[in-house]
Amino acid sequence: DIQMTQSPSTLSASVGDRVTITCRASQSITIWLAWYQQKPGKAPKLLIYKASNLESGVPSRFSGSGSGTEFTLTISSLQPDDFATYYCQHYNSYSRTFGQGTKVEIK
Amino acid sequence: EVQLVESGGGLVQPGGSLRLSCAASGFAFSTYWMHWVRQAPGKGLVWVSRITGDGTNTTYADSVKGRFTISRDNARNTLYLQMNSLRAEDTAVYYCARWGSSGNANYWGQGTLVTVSS
Repeated sequence: DIQMTQSPSTLSASVGDRVTITCRASQSITIWLAWYQQKPGKAPKLLIYKASNLESGVPSRFSGSGSGTEFTLTISSLQPDDFATYYCQHYNSYSRTFGQGTKVEIK
Repeated sequence: EVQLVESGGGLVQPGGSLRLSCAASGFAFSTYWMHWVRQAPGKGLVWVSRITGDGTNTTYADSVKGRFTISRDNARNTLYLQMNSLRAEDTAVYYCARWGSSGNANYWGQGTLVTVSS
């Protein structure tokens, strides 16, 4: 089974900071990777699909890159609404596999 | 407007059973593969199971294989998760979710809490 590993587990940042979260797959997943934002008590929200495609309605400060085994989610200028937990997810026809999450906290 | 509404969660003893439902509206339900994803309290997201649009093909996470059964009733626009032989580690909020074919157009329900405890 493919394993997804995110780093860091926790990230402290300030409003306006550029933030990068990394996700590594245990084997190549080409571009079949998504990123989600989750706030406490809420369902996850899709941000990025197919590694670099912005989901409709998601602010352009969010971007994704990578292919194969290494991927990044970048928030170009962190906003107050962005403090949340972020998950990467590999997906294919059979299943989905999530990373363990990265909590973005206020510095 | 796409809506997914889960129900059926609650408190159940270890070894017991529970059936979750997810009522779908606002889209052509039978044309979408549907999924269940769970999240234990304070923990991360874990995919549980998926079913094809016509209900003929299903897959499961190893942790629930043989104990959980996903199914759907396209006439009622409803997704189900039959959970048997429940364990304490199955305690979680269970979400139903749908994705488009490229992984986009993603919608989630609000979740239903399942607590397995004596």
